[in-house]
Amino acid sequence: GQQLNQSPQSMFIQEGEDVSMNCTSSSIFNTWLWYKQDPGEGPVLLIALYKAGELTSNGRLTAQFGITRKDSFLNISASIPSDVGIYFCAGQLGQGGKLIFGQGTELSVKP
Amino acid sequence: DTAVSQTPKYLVTQMGNDKSIKCEQNLGHDTMYWYKQDSKKFLKIMFSYNNKELIINETVPNRFSPKSPDKAHLNLHINSLELGDSAVYFCASSQVAYNSPLHFGNGTRLTVT
Repeated sequence: GQQLNQSPQSMFIQEGEDVSMNCTSSSIFNTWLWYKQDPGEGPVLLIALYKAGELTSNGRLTAQFGITRKDSFLNISASIPSDVGIYFCAGQLGQGGKLIFGQGTELSVKP
Repeated sequence: DTAVSQTPKYLVTQMGNDKSIKCEQNLGHDTMYWYKQDSKKFLKIMFSYNNKELIINETVPNRFSPKSPDKAHLNLHINSLELGDSAVYFCASSQVAYNSPLHFGNGTRLTVT
């Protein structure tokens, strides 16, 4: 079945550092999404990407939809303690298609 | 004004029992989902309903039965609970017609003892 490989699995960084995480797939997706999950809560959408090559920013977050439609990355600049959480990439084939999630990247930020 | 709300937040029960989790969304979305998050935080889709009609049914034991009385509600009933059912279950919704992303509830942590 379809799988997304997300890396790294975990990151321990110092406040102020930049962070980069990515997802790759053997399948093509039409939509890439990035979610963040805080402890005890559901995933919250950070950025949605709908076109190959698209580069989108949301504050300190930037994400890109790979040209091949098989990969995406998320960058966080100047990290702060509240960036702590689990970040998930997710790929979707089309309207109504199921969302396939990556394994998550657990981010820890040291003040 | 919670968008996707599910109850209960915590559910502790013994093996063999039957339990239900309820979900409601007030976003006017036409599609609702149930996802299971295991102990390694992996999120896997279980079911999807569009306007009360089942459209995605992953390989889930038939002890799990979703029910959608209307497009704003999707409940999950689990019969004969097993230890391996322990997980966090997330409800989500989206508006498929507009290709909108999924909005998730805050999860129900199910512990089977």
